[in-house]
Amino acid sequence: EIVMTQSPATLSVSPGERATLSCRASQSVSSNLAWYQQKPGQAPRLLIYGASTRATGIPARFSGSGSGTEFTLTISSLQSEDFAVYYCQQYNNWPLYTFGQGTKLEIK
Amino acid sequence: EVQLVQSGAEVKKPGESLKISCKGSGYSFTSYWIGWVRQMPGKGLEWMGIIYPGDSDTRYSPSFQGQVTISADKSISTAYLQWSSLKASDTAMYYCARLYSSGCLDYWGQGTLVTVSS
Repeated sequence: EIVMTQSPATLSVSPGERATLSCRASQSVSSNLAWYQQKPGQAPRLLIYGASTRATGIPARFSGSGSGTEFTLTISSLQSEDFAVYYCQQYNNWPLYTFGQGTKLEIK
Repeated sequence: EVQLVQSGAEVKKPGESLKISCKGSGYSFTSYWIGWVRQMPGKGLEWMGIIYPGDSDTRYSPSFQGQVTISADKSISTAYLQWSSLKASDTAMYYCARLYSSGCLDYWGQGTLVTVSS
């Protein structure tokens, strides 16, 4: 099983600032990496797939980068609605896909 | 519009059986894998397994193999997740979602909360 490790567990950032979230895979997942946002009481929402492709309707302030084992989600200028929990997911190891444990992005 | 609509919240006792559902609409239900994801209270997302409704090909995460059964009825565009004997540790929110681009999850159901308590 590929283990996905996200850091930090909690990130405190002020509105308008940049947030950088990390995700590391225990072995290469190529670019088969997705990011999701989950707000309290809601289902997760797909933000990024293929490591760097924004999903439909996702604002340009969200960007993803990386390949192999190291990945980053960057939110360029945080809006109030961006404070949530973010998960990465690898889908390289068919059919044993795995999620990271999540990073909680909170208001500083 | 693509939609996945899940059945409502359930409260069950340990040892009881349960089957929850996920109905797809707005797309070709038989052409996309459907995945099930568990979220225990206050915890992260866990990949349970997937099914291809077109031929009912099913794959399970090792952690869930033998613990649950995933099925689908393509005639009514519905996928299912079932337990034969619930445990308290099955208490969680369960989500279904559509697989896109080889494995990311682009559309999600609203979730079904399962509570198992004596």
